[in-house]
Amino acid sequence: NAGVTQTPKFRVLKTGQSMTLLCAQDMNHEYMYWYRQDPGMGLRLIHYSVGEGTTAKGEVPDGYNVSRLKKQNFLLGLESAAPSQTSVYFCASSWTPTLNTGELFFGEGSRLTVL
Amino acid sequence: AQTVTQSQPEMSVQEAETVTLSCTYDTSESNYYLFWYKQPPSRQMILVIRQEAYKQQNATENRFSVNFQKAAKSFSLKISDSQLGDTAMYFCAFMKPIPSSGSARQLTFGSGTQLTVLP
Repeated sequence: NAGVTQTPKFRVLKTGQSMTLLCAQDMNHEYMYWYRQDPGMGLRLIHYSVGEGTTAKGEVPDGYNVSRLKKQNFLLGLESAAPSQTSVYFCASSWTPTLNTGELFFGEGSRLTVL
Repeated sequence: AQTVTQSQPEMSVQEAETVTLSCTYDTSESNYYLFWYKQPPSRQMILVIRQEAYKQQNATENRFSVNFQKAAKSFSLKISDSQLGDTAMYFCAFMKPIPSSGSARQLTFGSGTQLTVLP
């Protein structure tokens, strides 16, 4: 199994450009998450989804939009990129947190640089 | 607010020796999960060990063990017989419910400890 796959792995954008990060998981997980990782701050939750067709805001949602049209995919969009969005983005998935130990399975990360 | 604090930004240890990484957290909940994740230079987040708060016994996974002090809200990671491959950033994380989300949970991470194993 591939687990959690993120594309692209690296991207450089100019301020104001838009882009979409794709996360795909093949574990039939219900829950999916987008985190961002900045130096010295650990990972912070941007948006999450508890199932196909549902999304919700996390700790730092401003400037991002998400969609979960298919259970296996969770898209993170930047409509107008800003330098403050330069970060490493991680997608994660899990089964049903109330029924298991809550382990999240992470993708390999996507490094985004906004100039 | 629920926070996770790792007070050691960097640590080093000689190969084959033992090192302990500290973590404290703040919560008003009685049942929760705690995790240690490892992030090597490849950036992959790898689960090292988990602890369920209602369990008295400290979790162990081969060379990795935790010292879970619930009353003190402390969750340290001990790595025995350190190996060069243990060099990585280590994150302590706390699993908590997401408000108004029903059953959804999220991981709150500490800022990490960069561990270097020296040959």
